Amino acid sequence: GDSVTQMEGPVTLSEEAFLTINCTYTATGYPSLFWYVQYPGEGLQLLLKATKADDKGSNKGFEATYRKETTSFHLEKGSVQVSDSAVYFCALSDYQFYFGTGTSLTVIP
Amino acid sequence: DSGVTQTPKHLITATGQRVTLRCSPRSGDLSVYWYQQSLDQGLQFLIQYYNGEERAKGNILERFSAQQFPDLHSELNLSSLELGDSALYFCASSVGVLLNNSPLHFGNGTRLTVT
Repeated sequence: GDSVTQMEGPVTLSEEAFLTINCTYTATGYPSLFWYVQYPGEGLQLLLKATKADDKGSNKGFEATYRKETTSFHLEKGSVQVSDSAVYFCALSDYQFYFGTGTSLTVIP
Repeated sequence: DSGVTQTPKHLITATGQRVTLRCSPRSGDLSVYWYQQSLDQGLQFLIQYYNGEERAKGNILERFSAQQFPDLHSELNLSSLELGDSALYFCASSVGVLLNNSPLHFGNGTRLTVT
C-alpha cells in the first residue's frame, strides 16, 4: 500500500543554517505530495504541495521538488529562523491521505 | 485561520465516561476527516466522511464512532474512555474525494485528558 517515510528527528539547527528534511514515498498511482507544519499548540498547516513529477512547491522560503525517479519530496530551506521551530509532516494523497511520522525541528539563536 | 472549527478546545473527563467532539468544516468542503495525535503514535487516521456518508475507516476503535450531519458538521463520539485515549483529536476537511491534489485543512484540535 501507499506510505510515506520521513527522516527521524529531532533536528536542531542554528539560526541561518541550511535545512533538509528527507521524505520518500511509496505509491501505486500518481499521488500529490504535501508538506505540513505544526507549531506548538496548533493544528497542521499546509506549507506547500506538488501535484506531478518535477513540480516544485514553495512557500515562506521552503521548497520541495517532486522527484518521481527517486520517489522523494525532500523539504529544504536555505536559512532557517527561530520561528521555523515546529514539527514538519510529509504527506501524500492518492485519494487517501498518508502522513509521515513528523520531524521535530528546533532552531536555536 | 484554516476555516475549520473544533470544539471544545480542551476536555478533561474520567475513565469510563463518554464525550463528543465537534467539527465544522471549511465552507464549501464536503469531506471531513478525524485524526488522533498522541506522543507515542504520531498522527493516526480514524475515519473519513464525505457528504454525510462514511468514506474510509482507519485505526478507529469500536468504542469510537462518528457521523456527519446534513449541514456537514461532524461529531466524534468516544465512549468507555480509557487513560490511553488521552490525546489531541484533529478534524480536517477538504473539498471532496475526487481530486487527489486537494489539500486537507486542519482545525486546532481538541485536547482530551482522561483521568
